[in-house]
Amino acid sequence: DAGVIQSPRHEVTEMGQEVTLRCKPISGHNSLFWYRQTMMRGLELLIYFNNNVPIDDSGMPEDRFSAKMPNASFSTLKIQPSEPRDSAVYFCASSLDRNNSPLHFGNGTRLTVT
Amino acid sequence: RKEVEQDPGPFNVPEGATVAFNCTYSNSASQSFFWYRQDCRKEPKLLMSVYSSGNEDGRFTAQLNRASQYISLLIRDSKLSDSATYLCVVNGQGGNNRLAFGKGNQVVVIP
Repeated sequence: DAGVIQSPRHEVTEMGQEVTLRCKPISGHNSLFWYRQTMMRGLELLIYFNNNVPIDDSGMPEDRFSAKMPNASFSTLKIQPSEPRDSAVYFCASSLDRNNSPLHFGNGTRLTVT
Repeated sequence: RKEVEQDPGPFNVPEGATVAFNCTYSNSASQSFFWYRQDCRKEPKLLMSVYSSGNEDGRFTAQLNRASQYISLLIRDSKLSDSATYLCVVNGQGGNNRLAFGKGNQVVVIP
């Protein structure tokens, strides 16, 4: 099992540029989550999908953030335009949609916006 | 009140000693509880689920106290490799899929 795959591992960009993060969940998992982690705020849920449908996007900071899941094996998180305060580690995770099903995380994307 | 609260520490533990810490949660309807381990600059990984009756996995013991709304993790015979941040995870407001993470308990095992 390849696990959750994220790309890129690192992204350094200038303020104002568009950033796209990518995620491939574990095959067979029907729930997908995007988290952001910073020292100050810890792990924050941005959005999650169930069967490719966005269920809860209340954690998305503002309109600059958007996420899509066009099929069961791929999701993107886009920031446009990016700002320095978006610098963080962004994790994608997937799970089965059932009680007590744990999350499996990808390696994360470390984003630095200068 | 935050959904999940943990004392960040650090918890400095002599090698071979026992360390324990708690995590409190706010949603009395929560049904799923986990401990995750996160190493520096790595992703969180599942350490163990927490069951109502309590459960052990080797040197690790997890307990759930629904009345007081906390879960605990105890590590016996600490190893240097146990140094990590331990994240408490609870399904929070909004249903089963919405897992809320604490900020973690940082454990440093000292030789």
